[in-house]
Amino acid sequence: DTGVSQNPRHKITKRGQNVTFRCDPISEHNRLYWYRQTLGQGPEFLTYFQNEAQLEKSRLLSDRFSAERPKGSFSTLEIQRTEQGDSAMYLCASSLSRQRGYGYTFGSGTRLTVV
Amino acid sequence: AQSVTQLDSQVPVFEEAPVELRCNYSSSVSVYLFWYVQYPNQGLQLLLKYLSGSTLVESINGFEAEFNKSQTSFHLRKPSVHISDTAEYFCAVSNTNFGNEKLTFGTGTRLTIIP
Repeated sequence: DTGVSQNPRHKITKRGQNVTFRCDPISEHNRLYWYRQTLGQGPEFLTYFQNEAQLEKSRLLSDRFSAERPKGSFSTLEIQRTEQGDSAMYLCASSLSRQRGYGYTFGSGTRLTVV
Repeated sequence: AQSVTQLDSQVPVFEEAPVELRCNYSSSVSVYLFWYVQYPNQGLQLLLKYLSGSTLVESINGFEAEFNKSQTSFHLRKPSVHISDTAEYFCAVSNTNFGNEKLTFGTGTRLTIIP
């Protein structure tokens, strides 16, 4: 068990470019979450998958954001036409649905800087 | 809707002194309560959780938190802090009733240990 892995760790991009982040959850975990954390704030929920199905999206997730989890394994989060306000730490977490209430395992995050 | 309030954004404490980090929550449904810790340049790690039963819960590294339903609080305490406790601490809640275990976080408290 190598934990939740996120790549890349850091990404610097120019405004208007597209970026994609990857998350590899713990292999037996069927639930996967994406959160965004800006400076001085706690993480905010973006979206959630159970297996390959995306079951909930936050209103924070504008049309420029899309997330996928093909085959219920790894997940990708894509941001199109990045804006400076997208600069944040993007956190992925996974959990097992039958262990309700046991909390998530978070990855180390991808820090996005839009210049 | 749920919300979490961490009134203290920064708490400086001398090494070996006691500390209390405050957390209050608001929710119309029953909740699970969590404390997560984030060390510099790392993801969030689960420190301790309250699901049910005894209102006092403990972590393996000497922290404890007490659930107080009447005051809707879940304050984190440690009787004697160490330099290695320097980190940001986040209180979080999730509802117990719905399928999605989405977490609502507070804004965090940065604990700084003074040698």
